[in-house]
Amino acid sequence: DAGVIQSPRHEVTEMGQEVTLRCKPISGHDYLFWYRQTMMRGLELLIYFNNNVPIDDSGMPEDRFSAKMPNASFSTLKIQPSEPRDSAVYFCASTEGGTVEAFFGQGTRLTVV
Amino acid sequence: GEDVEQSLFLSVREGDSSVINCTYTDSSSTYLYWYKQEPGAGLQLLTYIFSNMDMKQDQRLTVLLNKKDKHLSLRIADTQTGDSAIYFCAESSPVDSSYKLIFGSGTRLLVRP
Repeated sequence: DAGVIQSPRHEVTEMGQEVTLRCKPISGHDYLFWYRQTMMRGLELLIYFNNNVPIDDSGMPEDRFSAKMPNASFSTLKIQPSEPRDSAVYFCASTEGGTVEAFFGQGTRLTVV
Repeated sequence: GEDVEQSLFLSVREGDSSVINCTYTDSSSTYLYWYKQEPGAGLQLLTYIFSNMDMKQDQRLTVLLNKKDKHLSLRIADTQTGDSAIYFCAESSPVDSSYKLIFGSGTRLLVRP
């Protein structure tokens, strides 16, 4: 398996634009997590899914953020409209329920100017 | 709520031992983890310890857990320049078997030649 795949690796966008980040989890993993990493706040859990169903979205900062998982092999995190303070590295991770290790993608570095 | 704290920076000389410390607040934590993040990469699980253990050794890595003080440490023996990275302490408890991770802010380890 190629691991957790995120795209794009880098995204630069103008304030007010819509941004969509994508994630393909490891096949067979039933949990998917979206994290955000910033210098100020470290790694924050935004939302996670189990069997494609959102379980906890309490970490989603505002209504401008939304996440979907239409099937077991794909998830998106959307920011609309984007703001400069959304600039961060966004990580997707997946795991198999009952196991210990979470596998992380390489992240998407988002810059909103 | 849960909180995990780490010192921000550690500098050691190549060949010395490194000790990275972490404190956590959630007494119901089931697993405690150490993840490593190299520049431009995602997080990679280094090791973990179950909460009913005091110590775990894995080659150059030794994890010590003091559950009474809620203190976790990672010792890297014979530290190499390739060990330079950010090390994250994390804890989880099996809420709906998801093992949702709560991360510390990360300790940046710099290994000097």
